[in-house]
Amino acid sequence: SAVISQKPSRDICQRGTSLTIQCQVDSQVTMMFWYRQQPGQSLTLIATANQGSEATYESGFVIDKFPISRPNLTFSTLTVSNMSPEDSSIYLCSGGRQGNTEAFFGQGTRLTVV
Amino acid sequence: AQTVTQSQPEMSVQEAETVTLSCTYDTSESNYYLFWYKQPPSRQMILVIRQEAYKQQNATENRFSVNFQKAAKSFSLKISDSQLGDTAMYFCAFMKPGNQFYFGTGTSLTVIP
Repeated sequence: SAVISQKPSRDICQRGTSLTIQCQVDSQVTMMFWYRQQPGQSLTLIATANQGSEATYESGFVIDKFPISRPNLTFSTLTVSNMSPEDSSIYLCSGGRQGNTEAFFGQGTRLTVV
Repeated sequence: AQTVTQSQPEMSVQEAETVTLSCTYDTSESNYYLFWYKQPPSRQMILVIRQEAYKQQNATENRFSVNFQKAAKSFSLKISDSQLGDTAMYFCAFMKPGNQFYFGTGTSLTVIP
């Protein structure tokens, strides 16, 4: 198994600003993903964070809005740029190992944009 | 594209009783995995049970079991002897090779004392 730490756990931000969320895994994982969970809704995949290369974004999500870094196999960041109230959501990162079916999740970052 | 559907937004069950949560999915993949995750108010996603699509035998994990009907693309979760700690949001999820998950909309389960 793996333990994923996310920070910050919550934040209240002004519109127009940016927030970077960090995701640290206690052991190497092959895959890392970022999800958004809007209030009362399910998890929607934002992107796959690729180690050493550009992230792979899902339809509806773009790099300019959600830049992602993954410098190594245990760490990734997601930035929510130029925030608006519609970005208020929970953001979760997860990790997994190739060939292993279990995914590990962080506890999420609750973002409120005012 | 993969879709996961949970048709029960909310359910409740008396403590010690049994409850079944429904899930259907759609995929053209032949190799995949199905999961039930639990999300309590702490927001931590907790794996409840998983099922490999190539296995005909239904997975069980203590009080939790699934009814996997591959042809019908159905994957329901049965919780026996419900406990207060089972109160949470339950998500059905589909995973294709590469660890990419697709989640259903969730079922909010309340266990009533």
